[in-house]
Amino acid sequence: GAVVSQHPSWVICKSGTSVKIECRSLDFQATTMFWYRQFPKQSLMLMATSNEGSKATYEQGVEKDKFLINHASLTLSTLTVTSAHPEDSSFYICSASGWDFHTYEQYFGPGTRLTVT
Amino acid sequence: GIQVEQSPPDLILQEGANSTLRCNFSDSVNNLQWFHQNPWGQLINLFYIPSGTKQNGRLSATTVATERYSLLYISSSQTTDSGVYFCAVTNAGNMLTFGGGTRLMVKP
Repeated sequence: GAVVSQHPSWVICKSGTSVKIECRSLDFQATTMFWYRQFPKQSLMLMATSNEGSKATYEQGVEKDKFLINHASLTLSTLTVTSAHPEDSSFYICSASGWDFHTYEQYFGPGTRLTVT
Repeated sequence: GIQVEQSPPDLILQEGANSTLRCNFSDSVNNLQWFHQNPWGQLINLFYIPSGTKQNGRLSATTVATERYSLLYISSSQTTDSGVYFCAVTNAGNMLTFGGGTRLMVKP
């Protein structure tokens, strides 16, 4: 159990366009989903936390108008990078926690590699 | 916020060797997880271990919460163990704070 998927696995887009990344919990209900960003050879940095049906909570320094997060159901969260620029190129990873697991335990998706040209 | 430091940052082993990775944290925690990030970027859950000792095959982990550290032991290492090992904790709320990782390379 505890499978989290992401789609797409990688995406290339042109500067100024928007990109949507989906995160799904396949075999459990995700009460909370998290979005992280990882630069090459660095650790993961939390961008935002979202609970189903609520507005996302963004970490300091993360532009909420640029990184739109929607958590419409207990199995799906989406991250939309709006008006993407080359500096938004990164590896985006989602994770999820749920009632089936230890308190605060998170399971991670395989990540989405975004390249903005 | 809480600080998480991992050591060593880089480690090269010969296949079959044993190793110990360390994670120090600056405050009390209510969750501690060890992950292995494979070369494709996927984080694989190794242990949920806010305290105590657990073993899973060639891997084991110990967290001494009162002294604010955790250790991950890898025995009889294999080339497939290569990748980055992350320790991550929560203390206030449900947000994981990650350490900088230990980059492990196991040579055949």
